[in-house]
Amino acid sequence: EDQVTQSPEALRLQEGESSSLNCSYTVSGLRGLFWYRQDPGKGPEFLFTLYSAGEEKEKERLKATLTKKESFLHITAPKPEDSATYLCAVQAAGGYNKLIFGAGTRLAVHP
Amino acid sequence: GAGVSQSPSNKVTEKGKDVELRCDPISGHTALYWYRQSLGQGLEFLIYFQGNSAPDKSGLPSDRFSAERTGGSVSTLTIQRTQQEDSAVYLCASSLLQGALETQYFGPGTRLLVL
Repeated sequence: EDQVTQSPEALRLQEGESSSLNCSYTVSGLRGLFWYRQDPGKGPEFLFTLYSAGEEKEKERLKATLTKKESFLHITAPKPEDSATYLCAVQAAGGYNKLIFGAGTRLAVHP
Repeated sequence: GAGVSQSPSNKVTEKGKDVELRCDPISGHTALYWYRQSLGQGLEFLIYFQGNSAPDKSGLPSDRFSAERTGGSVSTLTIQRTQQEDSAVYLCASSLLQGALETQYFGPGTRLLVL
């Protein structure tokens, strides 16, 4: 069964304290792995898509990486405005377009 | 440009009543999805529309749930005889399929509370 597990469930950082969020996945053929950011009361906001092991994408203080079993979202020198829930999702090969989501990591960055 | 829009943003209903949730996708997007996000849980796929193809209804939790997409654009998710366990945020997403590549863009959601 296709599955996505994110860790930790919650993370508290001081401003400027870099860290990484983990997304482990089990899928019958990966078509794509997606990272979204979700603020309270809002819909998920697209961040990155990764398609193959070894791929990396960057945007401001965020960098996403992908291996055959997991993805990391690295946050460098975070700011309070980076506080949000970060969601990981996979899309399986074989014509299935739905996204399979993990439960998310709640990130709080304190000044 | 305009993103995915959903209405209403909030809906409170009584158990046993029917509700309709609306989604306006991004103009030109051919694919449309409905997901449900319950408190403390991840997003759960409900249904998928792609062009004129038959929808993928494999995620609908019961026959009380149905959805339609008119004219390849606006979609309506209907929940009949609502139950308290239907309380959740219902999210719509749309995408433009380009070969195997696709990014789903989400709307702000409809927060449904069944009393």
